[in-house]
Amino acid sequence: GAVVSQHPSRVICKSGTSVKIECRSLDFQATTMFWYRQFPKQSLMLMATSNEGSKATYEQGVEKDKFLINHASLTLSTLTVTSAHPEDSSFYICSARTRWFPRDQPQHFGDGTRLSIL
Amino acid sequence: KNEVEQSPQNLTAQEGEFITINCSYSVGISALHWLQQHPGGGIVSLFMLSSGKKKHGRLIATINIQEKHSSLHITASHPRDSAVYICAVRLGSQGNLIFGKGTKLSVKP
Repeated sequence: GAVVSQHPSRVICKSGTSVKIECRSLDFQATTMFWYRQFPKQSLMLMATSNEGSKATYEQGVEKDKFLINHASLTLSTLTVTSAHPEDSSFYICSARTRWFPRDQPQHFGDGTRLSIL
Repeated sequence: KNEVEQSPQNLTAQEGEFITINCSYSVGISALHWLQQHPGGGIVSLFMLSSGKKKHGRLIATINIQEKHSSLHITASHPRDSAVYICAVRLGSQGNLIFGKGTKLSVKP
């Protein structure tokens, strides 16, 4: 079964709306969560990395005031796209891993959120 | 040049065929992942390798650290195997993943 749950799976909203996406680890404590964006026929692009209880580290070119990330607990991280515009339309996917398991644990991915801004 | 190169980009096969997808990388890594992305977008981690070979059902993944090369094999392919297969490498034990562009596999009945 899924070990990372992402919600919602699809959002359609008007330009200027803020959208919150949730990512939960279901049966492990996610010490690190990753947020990716994927455009059609492109590979995943890392937006930011968040460690529980710390501020997120954003990749170059990603506006931290635009994409607010909160990782306040070991099972929940949220990405808020503030004042979304059509160019923010994309597929957003979260991923989580823990440093407390043996090193051969994979990184688990959510099912993604398809965001469409009209 | 991308740090992770996959080939082929697209692959069409008939049901039952043996399939190989290749991944080459240009940096030292701590682990290599093979991921499967379904048409709906969800991603499943198939394998994580740091050496040798792993097998799970009809899927086999191999890695040659000296050659900086990995392969994903699918035996007796089935239409439900149709998906995008992504190779990703990790730099260091806590490093981020670097993704290949993926191989889109279509298995025809």
